Amino acid sequence: ELKVEQNPLFLSMQEGKNYTIYCNYSTTSDRLYWYRQDPGKSLESLFVLLSNGAVKQEGRLMASLDTKARLSTLHITAAVHDLSATYFCAVDIYPDKLIFGTGTRLQVFP
Amino acid sequence: SAVISQKPSRDICQRGTSLTIQCQVDSQVTMMFWYRQQPGQSLTLIATANQGSEATYESGFVIDKFPISRPNLTFSTLTVSNMSPEDSSIYLCSVDRGGSGNIQYFGAGTRLSVL
Repeated sequence: ELKVEQNPLFLSMQEGKNYTIYCNYSTTSDRLYWYRQDPGKSLESLFVLLSNGAVKQEGRLMASLDTKARLSTLHITAAVHDLSATYFCAVDIYPDKLIFGTGTRLQVFP
Repeated sequence: SAVISQKPSRDICQRGTSLTIQCQVDSQVTMMFWYRQQPGQSLTLIATANQGSEATYESGFVIDKFPISRPNLTFSTLTVSNMSPEDSSIYLCSVDRGGSGNIQYFGAGTRLSVL
């Protein structure tokens, strides 16, 4: 059974701190997405990672992909309150079929 | 990106009734997708809808319960039939505009509560 697991599921962190969210998946894929969801809102695309070793950065967020380890990470640098949201990774197991991870609910406090 | 309009944004329905959710895109797309997000959970793909062909359903979802129409390249509907409280979820449509990365863009979702 295909599984896409994220950890942690919940993350409460102080402003200014760094942390990493992990996304592990159980099948072969070389395409992985990160999305953000604010409470009561839809999903916003953050990153698409298309190959082994891919690294993308936007502001305080940086995502990477290791297809051999079947692992993606989303690193948060110097967190700010505006980053509070739920973050999902999603694996593309064949063209356009996305399997979403369990989600990580991030709360950043002063 | 893509502009995706979903209607209704929310609804409260009685058990045993049906609700049709509409999804309109601002430009033509080949593939549209319907997802379900149960309260506090992740997203699960219900089906893929291509224009001119029947929708392809994922395991655990059947056409009788979730009939889908795709009459043209900018529009799709999902009907939730014979609803029960277990159908209370957020239903989202998404589209793939193609191009680099085949990113899926999501509508705002329909928040459904079944009493």
